[in-house]
Amino acid sequence: EVQLVESGGGLVKPGGSLRLSCAASGFTFSSYSMNWVRQAPGKGLEWVSSISSSSSYIYYADSVKGRFTISRDNAKNSLYLQMNSLRAEDTAVYYCAREHPSYDYYFDYWGQGTLVTVSS
Amino acid sequence: AIRMTQSPSSFSASTGDRVTITCRASQGISSYLAWYQQKPGKAPKLLIYAASTLQSGVPSRFSGSGSGTDFTLTISCLQSEDFATYYCQQYYSYLRTFGQGTKVEIK
Repeated sequence: EVQLVESGGGLVKPGGSLRLSCAASGFTFSSYSMNWVRQAPGKGLEWVSSISSSSSYIYYADSVKGRFTISRDNAKNSLYLQMNSLRAEDTAVYYCAREHPSYDYYFDYWGQGTLVTVSS
Repeated sequence: AIRMTQSPSSFSASTGDRVTITCRASQGISSYLAWYQQKPGKAPKLLIYAASTLQSGVPSRFSGSGSGTDFTLTISCLQSEDFATYYCQQYYSYLRTFGQGTKVEIK
């Protein structure tokens, strides 16, 4: 069974940093691109970042470019999101999502999310 | 980035109704479109990919159509468990984007 479990969320002050993790199991993690998607309270889904299976290709939404860094450790079946210079508008539930591996790159499995709150 | 616009943003319907949600892309995306369902406090769930292909396990009352810039999600006979928020997402561009969501509420 495919499982994605996020962790690392919490309360952080504006300007602070936080590192999210996503532990994957039930599939060959090293064969899949992975994504982070966030959802501010009461708002819609916003794609944040993606990383290819071997970390060769990395993309960011303009809203986080230069502040967030996505990475992965295929030996540990883990995905990460390093978030720096956090702002109030980064407050959201952060989901990791697996990307279907070929031709149609939809998100077929999602974690349950971890809440990040940026507030003084 | 490609902008995805859904309409309506919300509406009320009754069990048994046929409902249609529209998603428009700011540029052509071929059929690289997915639809997701999200219930409060839960992660999104994939319903449809490639604009019209039903994900395994999703009831056949859900269907999708369209290509290029205009897409629709149809629920042929609304069930109680279908009251939720629905999102379209394009994966034509490496910068993935979602529509703003359509909330389907009970009338």
